[in-house]
Amino acid sequence: EAGVTQFPSHSVIEKGQTVTLRCDPISGHDNLYWYRRVMGKEIKFLLHFVKESKQDESGMPNNRFLAERTGGTYSTLKVQPAELEDSGVYFCASSRLWAGGADEQFFGPGTRLTVL
Amino acid sequence: GNSVTQMEGPVTLSEEAFLTINCTYTATGYPSLFWYVQYPGEGLQLLLKATKADDKGSNKGFEATYRKETTSFHLEKGSVQVSDSAVYFCALSPVSGNTPLVFGKGTRLSVIA
Repeated sequence: EAGVTQFPSHSVIEKGQTVTLRCDPISGHDNLYWYRRVMGKEIKFLLHFVKESKQDESGMPNNRFLAERTGGTYSTLKVQPAELEDSGVYFCASSRLWAGGADEQFFGPGTRLTVL
Repeated sequence: GNSVTQMEGPVTLSEEAFLTINCTYTATGYPSLFWYVQYPGEGLQLLLKATKADDKGSNKGFEATYRKETTSFHLEKGSVQVSDSAVYFCALSPVSGNTPLVFGKGTRLSVIA
């Protein structure tokens, strides 16, 4: 079974540019989460999709961030325009839709974003 | 709100030393607790978990016990190896399920031969 994949693994852009991150979850996983880790700090939740619907986007820092999950498969996270404080590692995770409590989330390797 | 506090790193140990990484949490209700590990160049992997009080999660020689009375989930290993060098994250999931994880800041462990 293929794991969660993310693309690109690294991205270096200049302030004001646009970047789009992609996440391919494990096949059949309806839950998809985006997280971000700013250097030296905790991993923080950004948003949660259930299939193609946004279940919770309370962690999105501002309206420069736009996430989509067309067709309930892969997801993209666009940052436009990027600012210096957006630098960090962006993780994607997926899990089954589970009615019985917390289920394991499987994480991708992350995309390291550097904004100069 | 929900939060996780884990000991600051980095932690440097000699091979075969005993490891403890402290983790305490604040949560409403009865969360599930996790330890994730990130090896160099890789994504986060679930190391172990516990879903109710007094449960002990274990994997690869690591153990952690869900202590409701002290709201703790400390990670331990009796004899670390160089291959255990990684960043370790304590996390919780609210009992309702299908919800985001709440992470601690991570603890970097370096094991030297």
